[in-house]
Amino acid sequence: AQSVTQLDSHVSVSEGTPVLLRCNYSSSYSPSLFWYVQHPNKGLQLLLKYTSAATLVKGINGFEAEFKKSETSFHLTKPSAHMSDAAEYFCVVSDQGGRDDKIIFGKGTRLHILP
Amino acid sequence: GAGVSQTPSNKVTEKGKYVELRCDPISGHTALYWYRQSLGQGPEFLIYFQGTGAADDSGLPNDRFFAVRPEGSVSTLKIQRTERGDSAVYLCASSRGGSFTDTQYFGPGTRLTVL
Repeated sequence: AQSVTQLDSHVSVSEGTPVLLRCNYSSSYSPSLFWYVQHPNKGLQLLLKYTSAATLVKGINGFEAEFKKSETSFHLTKPSAHMSDAAEYFCVVSDQGGRDDKIIFGKGTRLHILP
Repeated sequence: GAGVSQTPSNKVTEKGKYVELRCDPISGHTALYWYRQSLGQGPEFLIYFQGTGAADDSGLPNDRFFAVRPEGSVSTLKIQRTERGDSAVYLCASSRGGSFTDTQYFGPGTRLTVL
C-alpha cells in the first residue's frame, strides 16, 4: 500500500526567493512520484515525474524535485519564485509492479507569492 | 491538439436525481481515468479504463456510481440517487498507455452540486 503526505497546506514566499514544497511518501514497491500543479479554473498539469531513472528530476517552469529513498521524500523546489507560480500543487505516488497498484494524491499545498 | 474535455462544466441537481458526466479524452489515448476532488482535498481515484473495459474500479464509493466507455473513446460517469455528499469536482484524465506511471492529461472538471 502507498500513501503520500504534503507537510504544508499553505506556503508563502516573496517573488524572486526560493520555493520549497515538501512531500513524504510510503510505498511497498518501487514508487513512481509526480508533482502536478492546478491553477484556478484550469486542469491539473504535470510538472515532473520520477520513475526510477535519475533521482534529480527537472520539470517545466524551472521546477525540480529530488527523490531521496532514505528519507522517503520527494520535495519540489524552484530557485526563484514568479507571480505566475501561485497555484495549488499536488504530490502523487503510484507503485510500480505491485499487485495492488494505486495512485494516491496528496491533499495539496497552496503556494502564495508575495510581491 | 485538443486536450481532454468534460461536459457539463457545472451541474446542479437535487438529491435523489440521476446525473451523467461526460469525458472526451485526447484522441488515440487508450487509458481514461475518473477522479473526484472534494473541497480542500486532492483528487481521489475512482475508476480507470484500458480501451473499453474497466481495468480498475476499486475507487468507486458504492453501487450508485457506474462508468462506461463503450467504444474506447468517450466515457460517461453515471451517478444514481445522488446525495449531498456526492457534491465535488469530477475530473477526467487520459494517457497513452494504461499504467499509472504514464503521464496523465487532465480535463477542467465538472463541478457537481447536489442540493
